[in-house]
Amino acid sequence: GQNIDQPTEMTATEGAIVQINCTYQTSGFNGLFWYQQHAGEAPTFLSYNVLDGLEEKGRFSSFLSRSKGYSYLLLKELQMKDSASYLCAFSGGYNKLIFGAGTRLAVHP
Amino acid sequence: SAVISQKPSRDICQRGTSLTIQCQVDSQVTMMFWYRQQPGQSLTLIATANQGSEATYESGFVIDKFPISRPNLTFSTLTVSNMSPEDSSIYLCSVVRQSTDTQYFGPGTRLTVL
Repeated sequence: GQNIDQPTEMTATEGAIVQINCTYQTSGFNGLFWYQQHAGEAPTFLSYNVLDGLEEKGRFSSFLSRSKGYSYLLLKELQMKDSASYLCAFSGGYNKLIFGAGTRLAVHP
Repeated sequence: SAVISQKPSRDICQRGTSLTIQCQVDSQVTMMFWYRQQPGQSLTLIATANQGSEATYESGFVIDKFPISRPNLTFSTLTVSNMSPEDSSIYLCSVVRQSTDTQYFGPGTRLTVL
């Protein structure tokens, strides 16, 4: 079957680094997405990994290991505006996305 | 990215009625999808909107309840039929542009059924 897991909640301090993990199981895999969603808003695209390794985009980086069914999103130099839900999703084929439950990140001063 | 608009942005409806949600994108896209996000939960795929043919529905979703149209490459509608309070959700359309695999979401339609 298909399954995707990520922690429900995390807290971190402004200026720090936080890593949000995501594990998945699927028979068909076409890539791993991370989205940011602020309360009451639509998800915003952050990153897409299709090959193993680390992709860096400014303060945000995303890592994928296909053999381990594992990804993480790394947020550096945290800011208060980074408080949001972070959604992990994999593409199982035909661009259809299967989402995890999301990780609510709270950034404190 | 793609500029995606949805109408209405929100609505409050009575039980037993139907609501049609529109999704418009600013340029041609290969794929369009409809998702539901129930309160406090993550996104669940309802269906793939296919241009000029019947939508492809995911398990648990049926055409009679969620009829979908996609008359061209930039426009799609989702109807939530015979609504009940359990249909209260945010409904989002998403698109995939040609030559990419990246999926972008519209702003969503917040539906409340009384």
